[in-house]
Amino acid sequence: DTEVTQTPKHLVMGMTNKKSLKCEQHMGHRAMYWYKQKAKKPPELMFVYSYEKLSINESVPSRFSPECPNSSLLNLHLHALQPEDSALYLCASSQDRLAGANSYNEQFFGPGTRLTVL
Amino acid sequence: AQSVTQPDIHITVSEGASLELRCNYSYGATPYLFWYVQSPGQGLQLLLKYFSGDTLVQGIKGFEAEFKRSQSSFNLRKPSVHWSDAAEYFCAEKYDTGNQFYFGTGTSLTVIP
Repeated sequence: DTEVTQTPKHLVMGMTNKKSLKCEQHMGHRAMYWYKQKAKKPPELMFVYSYEKLSINESVPSRFSPECPNSSLLNLHLHALQPEDSALYLCASSQDRLAGANSYNEQFFGPGTRLTVL
Repeated sequence: AQSVTQPDIHITVSEGASLELRCNYSYGATPYLFWYVQSPGQGLQLLLKYFSGDTLVQGIKGFEAEFKRSQSSFNLRKPSVHWSDAAEYFCAEKYDTGNQFYFGTGTSLTVIP
């Protein structure tokens, strides 16, 4: 199974709402990522988890709160978002760099959640 | 700082013509290099990857890429483009010292009949 799943596919929320994005993989990957992507732009890294611990936070506003409850799941909790946060949110996973020198560590991406903030 | 450059923002080719998308990576002792493709509203799909060995790598959908250390380049090629190849293409680099990936700005490919 080389699939990363994300739910929901689409999400519309108001600026006062609280919602969560979910990501799941069963490839045994111990590195998981959240990216934000605007149209015609490359993915912007938000967070990286390594062995269920947050290892990189790219100065993301606190209205985005990541959570990695276990090695297969990654959540992104959203609260008090702004309209400029509307984007495609991508989850990805890879073998952690500690997996071995000969591991390519390529990322596998989910299909994304299209988020619209009104 | 690590960086990946894709000099061409947008390329238009005729169906059946050959294609080359350029990618230059920043210097790294052991670069892991990747090409991803993204159709509108979709996630990124890995086309091919390079770490070591043969500098000409084959990928899915008839794509290939050549690693040239002397030019810090990893250009993507396809001998004959199909209309379904129209998409956004991203080159990416990763070092073996961490989990972070560095993406280029992307090249948008349009295929005309």
